[in-house]
Amino acid sequence: SQKIEQNSEALNIQEGKTATLTCNYTNYSPAYLQWYRQDPGRGPVFLLLIRENEKEKRKERLKVTFDTTLKQSLFHITASQPADSATYLCALLSGYSTLTFGKGTMLLVSP
Amino acid sequence: DVKVTQSSRYLVKRTGEKVFLECVQDMDHENMFWYRQDPGLGLRLIYFSYDVKMKEKGDIPEGYSVSREKKERFSLILESASTNQTSMYLCASRRTGGPSYEQYFGPGTRLTVT
Repeated sequence: SQKIEQNSEALNIQEGKTATLTCNYTNYSPAYLQWYRQDPGRGPVFLLLIRENEKEKRKERLKVTFDTTLKQSLFHITASQPADSATYLCALLSGYSTLTFGKGTMLLVSP
Repeated sequence: DVKVTQSSRYLVKRTGEKVFLECVQDMDHENMFWYRQDPGLGLRLIYFSYDVKMKEKGDIPEGYSVSREKKERFSLILESASTNQTSMYLCASRRTGGPSYEQYFGPGTRLTVT
């Protein structure tokens, strides 16, 4: 069956360091992979999309990689700030253009 | 600024009641989605609609129905609420095509069924 896995344990890092979050998937051939940010009690907010033929995408302090051989995406936040603390969700676009979400990884950035 | 609004932030209903959750978007998006989000289970797709009066089942449609009479409005209906439907419900919308397939989410409705 199709599976998307993100680290269930919270990632704790110090301000200024690079945070790296992982999204692994099995039994998928996604055309696109997206990353969303979700703050407590709120809906997810779209951050980035990367296509299957793209290796890397950047947006300000964010960088996403997509390795279709390893079936993995890495999400990096450089120079992290306490305001980056949130849950980050990866989502795969497949089928009838619907998204399947991972369960998310909570990031905590301490001053 | 794009906006998806949901009728209630918090709702408490009794077992067996019929519950309506309303979602409105002002972006003229063709596609609308209903998800529920539970701890440890993540976001799961209940139903979606790619056009007015069209609906498609998602991964967990049992116990739910939907209605899309107007493009901007997508309603989720719990015909007879049960305690296992206590959850956070999130509505989203998306334009057909476009460069990012970005989904815009509403703030969510936290439903408690007692």
